[in-house]
Amino acid sequence: DAGVTQSPTHLIKTRGQHVTLRCSPISGHKSVSWYQQVLGQGPQFIFQYYEKEERGRGNFPDRFSARQFPNYSSELNVNALLLGDSALYLCASSLESIGYGGYTFGSGTRLTVV
Amino acid sequence: AQTVTQSQPEMSVQEAETVTLSCTYDTSESDYYLFWYKQPPSRQMILVIRQEAYKQQNATENRFSVNFQKAAKSFSLKISDSQLGDAAMYFCAYRSALMGDSGGSNYKLTFGKGTLLTVNP
Repeated sequence: DAGVTQSPTHLIKTRGQHVTLRCSPISGHKSVSWYQQVLGQGPQFIFQYYEKEERGRGNFPDRFSARQFPNYSSELNVNALLLGDSALYLCASSLESIGYGGYTFGSGTRLTVV
Repeated sequence: AQTVTQSQPEMSVQEAETVTLSCTYDTSESDYYLFWYKQPPSRQMILVIRQEAYKQQNATENRFSVNFQKAAKSFSLKISDSQLGDAAMYFCAYRSALMGDSGGSNYKLTFGKGTLLTVNP
């Protein structure tokens, strides 16, 4: 079985642009969460989706949005990019919304804003 | 809000030796989960071990074990017989066990800043 897959692996954008990051969960997993990991820090929670509904939102501005599709894949969108949005964006999937067994993470998308 | 603190930015250990990584957390909740994740240069966060707060017995996974002190809000990771492949960033993480909707805080993992572990041959 494939693990959590994220695309693209690397991305360079200019300030003010828009970016879309994609995540495919493990087959059968219905929950997807997004985290931002700034260099030298632990990941920070952005969103969680379960069965296509938002179940949690972290302390991020409205420039950040996400959605989950019927096949449980997910997109994270960031508008009006700032230099401070440069980070590794991690996607995690779990079988259920609570994630009792822990979350399985992808290898992330490295976003650089110049 | 819950916080997780890892006070050791870097640690090193000789191959085959034992090392302990520290983690403390702050919460007013009585039921929660604690995790240790490993992040190698490949960037993927890999679950190492998991502990339910209601269980008094410390979790063990092969060479990895935890020392969970609920009253002290401490959750350290012990790696025995360290191997070169253990070299990575290690993150301690907390998750509430509360059910229901409370602004989404139930569903998120709260991470510490991590400890970089170096294994010397």
